[in-house]
Amino acid sequence: DAGVTQSPTHLIKTRGQQVTLRCSPISGHKSVSWYQQVLGQGPQFIFQYYEKEERGRGNFPDRFSARQFPNYSSELNVNALLLGDSALYLCASSRWEADTQYFGPGTRLTVL
Amino acid sequence: ELKVEQNPLFLSMQEGKNYTIYCNYSTTSDRLYWYRQDPGKSLESLFVLLSNGAVKQEGRLMASLDTKARLSTLHITAAVHDLSATYFCAALNAGGTSYGKLTFGQGTILTVHP
Repeated sequence: DAGVTQSPTHLIKTRGQQVTLRCSPISGHKSVSWYQQVLGQGPQFIFQYYEKEERGRGNFPDRFSARQFPNYSSELNVNALLLGDSALYLCASSRWEADTQYFGPGTRLTVL
Repeated sequence: ELKVEQNPLFLSMQEGKNYTIYCNYSTTSDRLYWYRQDPGKSLESLFVLLSNGAVKQEGRLMASLDTKARLSTLHITAAVHDLSATYFCAALNAGGTSYGKLTFGQGTILTVHP
């Protein structure tokens, strides 16, 4: 079975730009969560979606937004990029909110 | 707010030795996870611990959970170089808002030397 897929793999943006990251969950998984991992730290929770509804939001500014589509794939949008947004963005999928989360390979975002 | 702390943060081991990584969490949690991360890679799920006294083993790694002490341990037996990686524990929110949120520890960077 295919695992969680994310695109793009790497991305370089400049300050003030906007970025969209994409995630496809494992087949049969209805929940998608997004995490930000800054170098040398543990992942930080950004959002969780289940059945296309937002079920949780972490302590991130409103520049961060996300959505889940009818096929359960998801997009994470970040507006007005700051240097501090440079990180590995991880998507995880699970069958439901509290089930084991399986992580994708991540998108490495660099903001210059 | 749930907080998770791991120690040690850095662990340098000789091959063949045993050691334990500790993970403390601050409030009730339904589940405790251990993940492995290789440099530049994503997170690989190692163990999920669901109840007090749970013990799981895979190869040279064994994880346990004590919900009363809010403590999980990851024990490494007879370390080999292939175990070199960063290990994270993560606790699941026990309800309320952000029910499915995982709160991660800082990670333990394990290096196994010949």
